[in-house]
Amino acid sequence: GAVVSQHPSWVICKSGTSVKIECRSLDFQATTMFWYRQFPKQSLMLMATSNEGSKATYEQGVEKDKFLINHASLTLSTLTVTSAHPEDSSFYICSAEPGQDVSNYGYTFGSGTRLTVV
Amino acid sequence: GENVEQHPSTLSVQEGDSAVIKCTYSDSASNYFPWYKQELGKRPQLIIDIRSNVGEKKDQRIAVTLNKTAKHFSLHITETQPEDSAVYFCAASLGTSYGKLTFGQGTILTVHP
Repeated sequence: GAVVSQHPSWVICKSGTSVKIECRSLDFQATTMFWYRQFPKQSLMLMATSNEGSKATYEQGVEKDKFLINHASLTLSTLTVTSAHPEDSSFYICSAEPGQDVSNYGYTFGSGTRLTVV
Repeated sequence: GENVEQHPSTLSVQEGDSAVIKCTYSDSASNYFPWYKQELGKRPQLIIDIRSNVGEKKDQRIAVTLNKTAKHFSLHITETQPEDSAVYFCAASLGTSYGKLTFGQGTILTVHP
């Protein structure tokens, strides 16, 4: 259980364009999803908490207008990187929180999306 | 907010030896401490976790200990194998949202055959 799918696995885009990344919980309903960013050879940093049916909560220093998060259903959250620039190139990873007893789940991460902005 | 410090940043051991990675956290309210293994280009994979009401947990060659008073927790890998080579991250979370994690800086573990 607790399978999280993320698409695409990698994407290359031109500067100034927007990229949408999807995070899906396949076998459970996720009331809350999390978006992390990982620069090369660095740790994971939480960007935002995505709550189904309400606005996302962004961590300090993360631009909400640049990283648009939508969590319209209990199984899907999307992260859109708007007007991407080379410094946005990173590994973006989501995770999902089951709305039930968490002791049976390991907070599986999605497979990640490698974004390269050229 | 929470701050997690992880040491060492790199660790090199011979196959069969034990490896220990240590983390400290700052927020005494943190109550969930997972450890992740990440191979190059792949997602982090949970290898073991511990909650604040437990002092130690073991799963085959892997064990985690937690000292709430000192606010530190450690990962112990025994009988290391070359396939244990990877980057290991500790993390901490607090409150009811176990998925909102603050990660340590990571440890590059290399196990030499």
